[in-house]
Amino acid sequence: AQSVTQLDSQVPVFEEAPVELRCNYSSSVSVYLFWYVQYPNQGLQLLLKYLSGSTLVKGINGFEAEFNKSQTSFHLRKPSVHISDTAEYFCAVTGAQKLVFGQGTRLTINP
Amino acid sequence: EAGVAQSPRYKIIEKRQSVAFWCNPISGHATLYWYQQILGQGPKLLIQFQNNGVVDDSQLPKDRFSAERLKGVDSTLKIQPAKLEDSAVYLCASSLELPRLGVDTQYFGPGTRLTVL
Repeated sequence: AQSVTQLDSQVPVFEEAPVELRCNYSSSVSVYLFWYVQYPNQGLQLLLKYLSGSTLVKGINGFEAEFNKSQTSFHLRKPSVHISDTAEYFCAVTGAQKLVFGQGTRLTINP
Repeated sequence: EAGVAQSPRYKIIEKRQSVAFWCNPISGHATLYWYQQILGQGPKLLIQFQNNGVVDDSQLPKDRFSAERLKGVDSTLKIQPAKLEDSAVYLCASSLELPRLGVDTQYFGPGTRLTVL
């Protein structure tokens, strides 16, 4: 079985500052990893995913994430955030069966 | 391409009443999922369909929840009778299903927010 831990429930940052949202997973098998974003009153939208290959994955809206197998982590980063990035971010893992989500990290951007 | 459609967007009912949610996946997507998202938590899979067959319903509270996807396209999730703890957002998602990749992207609808009083 797989599990996901998002280490921060809330992350406040100033506009144009860099941000990192942390995600650790556990699994006994090879995994596929995802980051989803949820804007207020909307469904989840895929930001990026790691299936195989390069450990640095680039997604939409300037986000990227790095898969680190030895540390079982898949942290999400953006070099400069905007007000529009205010949302809930979910890390998810699957071993090709069901998708297991973390608790979410609320990103708040202050002007 | 139209996204995943869900209705209603909001529903308020009293405990012990019944309620139904509807989902229409992206055209051509063989796999359909229902998730429950309780406030402050990540989505939890309730049931997964492959065409009109159930793949995984291990986390569906079958004494009160039921779901069907009769023609392998749209789907209905029902709760009868509802309890206070069923208050949540119910998300529907669909995926194309590409077996050679082992896993494929799930596309989510906007969800139905259920409040049980």
